[in-house]
Amino acid sequence: EDKVVQSPLSLVVHEGDTVTLNCSYEVTNFRSLLWYKQEKKAPTFLFMLTSSGIEKKSGRLSSILDKKELFSILNITATQTGDSAVYLCAVGGGTSYDKVIFGPGTSLSVIP
Amino acid sequence: EAQVTQNPRYLITVTGKKLTVTCSQNMNHEYMSWYRQDPGLGLRQIYYSMNVEVTDKGDVPEGYKVSRKEKRNFPLILESPSPNQTSLYFCASSLSSPGDQPQHFGDGTRLSIL
Repeated sequence: EDKVVQSPLSLVVHEGDTVTLNCSYEVTNFRSLLWYKQEKKAPTFLFMLTSSGIEKKSGRLSSILDKKELFSILNITATQTGDSAVYLCAVGGGTSYDKVIFGPGTSLSVIP
Repeated sequence: EAQVTQNPRYLITVTGKKLTVTCSQNMNHEYMSWYRQDPGLGLRQIYYSMNVEVTDKGDVPEGYKVSRKEKRNFPLILESPSPNQTSLYFCASSLSSPGDQPQHFGDGTRLSIL
């Protein structure tokens, strides 16, 4: 059965801290791993990773994929209150090749 | 503005009363999908469609129907809703398979089945 696991499930940090969110997966026909940020409403896209070892960066956020060990991390440096959200990890692929499997999400709260 | 539009945004209804949640996208995307989101379970895929007249089951299709008669629209139908279908529902679209392209999500529909 395809599955995506995220840890921790929730996290509370102070502004300025650095956080690392983890995502591990067991998905047949792996195509890519994607990170989304969900605030009050719709998830919004952060990164898509397809190759191992290549870091993707956007401002204070970065992510990397390890296809051998089947995991990815999302790093956020110098956290701000606006980073408070649920971070979703998703893997494209699955038994029919065109599905997408989401993890349960990591709820991040950044306090001043 | 590129967007995915869901209606209604909120609905409270009773067991057994058929309902339809509409989803429309204006980006000419091939792939559309429905998800439900429940606490602690994340987003679970209900149905998806790779193109017009092509639909496929996701992980939790029981109790739901979909159709894709036009490229832009992908309605979700609950023929006989039950309380265990109370949830937050998201429609999403992408240019091609979500394994190759990120998805754009609607703002969600909160359904309460009494």
